[in-house]
Amino acid sequence: DAGVIQSPRHEVTEMGQEVTLRCKPISGHNSLFWYRQTMMRGLELLIYFNNNVPIDDSGMPEDRFSAKMPNASFSTLKIQPSEPRDSAVYFCASSSTDRYNEQFFGPGTRLTVL
Amino acid sequence: AQSVTQLGSHVSVSEGALVLLRCNYSSSVPPYLFWYVQYPNQGLQLLLKYTSAATLVKGINGFEAEFKKSETSFHLTKPSAHMSDAAEYFCAVSEGGGFKTIFGAGTRLFVKA
Repeated sequence: DAGVIQSPRHEVTEMGQEVTLRCKPISGHNSLFWYRQTMMRGLELLIYFNNNVPIDDSGMPEDRFSAKMPNASFSTLKIQPSEPRDSAVYFCASSSTDRYNEQFFGPGTRLTVL
Repeated sequence: AQSVTQLGSHVSVSEGALVLLRCNYSSSVPPYLFWYVQYPNQGLQLLLKYTSAATLVKGINGFEAEFKKSETSFHLTKPSAHMSDAAEYFCAVSEGGGFKTIFGAGTRLFVKA
């Protein structure tokens, strides 16, 4: 199994630009999570999906953030327009209720907004 | 509602010394409990998990944790620290039947030579 795959691994962009982060969960997992990690705020849950349906997006900081999961093998997190305070490492994780909700994390995308 | 409290944002031990990272949880139903480790520039990896079987759980790299219901605790221990154990450790709780896992704030472990 390849594990959770995220792309790109690094993204540097300018303020005001649109950023799209991508995630491929582990095959057979039915839940997908997007997290953001910074030194100041630690690990924050942004949104999670179950069976491709968004369950809780209360952690999404603003309307500039949006996430989609069009099918069981792909999800995107979009920031439009991006701001310097969005600079962080964004993690995607997937899990299965058959495995006690153990989460498998991707390697993360380090986003820098100049 | 679930919650997790990790006592101590930073812990420093000498190489060869006991490692003890503390975690207390709150859950309205019997929980699933986890410890994850994060090395620099990597995602979180599962160290061990409690799923209502044995209360003493053994994980990778010599770590273990004991579920104590009366104390609502799930402390992580390792008898002898190694330099390679330096990392950030997260305790987490999930409720069976739900999807969400709540993570603690993390404890950064420093190991001195």
